[in-house]
Amino acid sequence: EPEVTQTPSHQVTQMGQEVILRCVPISNHLYFYWYRQILGQKVEFLVSFYNNEISEKSEIFDDQFSVERPDGSNFTLKIRSTKLEDSAMYFCASSEAPGHYNSPLHFGNGTRLTVT
Amino acid sequence: GENVEQHPSTLSVQEGDSAVIKCTYSDSASNYFPWYKQELGKGPQLIIDIRSNVGEKKDQRIAVTLNKTAKHFSLHITETQPEDSAVYFCAATNSNSGYALNFGKGTSLLVTP
Repeated sequence: EPEVTQTPSHQVTQMGQEVILRCVPISNHLYFYWYRQILGQKVEFLVSFYNNEISEKSEIFDDQFSVERPDGSNFTLKIRSTKLEDSAMYFCASSEAPGHYNSPLHFGNGTRLTVT
Repeated sequence: GENVEQHPSTLSVQEGDSAVIKCTYSDSASNYFPWYKQELGKGPQLIIDIRSNVGEKKDQRIAVTLNKTAKHFSLHITETQPEDSAVYFCAATNSNSGYALNFGKGTSLLVTP
């Protein structure tokens, strides 16, 4: 079964540094998402992306965050200047279409980001 | 915005018993309610979902019920097995306006042999 793959599985960075989290969505999917999960808390929506532009974003997704689809397969999340509170598990997800009856979100296994 | 509450936060059952997890939502416009299972070290995996035009959906040992009037929905797992042990998340969204899933805080289910 096709999977969403994320790299790296664990990223450690110093506060103030830039990080890029990478994702390869399922190949025929057109909608891409980033969610995060702070340890012990609920999974939170960050951003959705379609047709090379952001379609929806949450309050969490401020100017420090950006997303990009640099080629036909990768989808990246960049945090420009990391803060301690950015430490979380970041999940990438993809779907064929939003709101389509048979188009649920498929999540990757996540990247654990630790900011020291 | 949408607020999803989930109970209980932890649930321990014996193998073969049933488990029920309940969620409430606040936005009456929400029309899509998926349930995800998250095993240790993995991302959430969809196990069942329901749309607002139906009241119940079943898939083998798993069923979900939806009460739109009361704005709550529940996950029912029958004949539980040790491999059902995981964290379960409910979520809600208005799929007509986007696809930002609003998750509950999760229920850690432990099925003991």
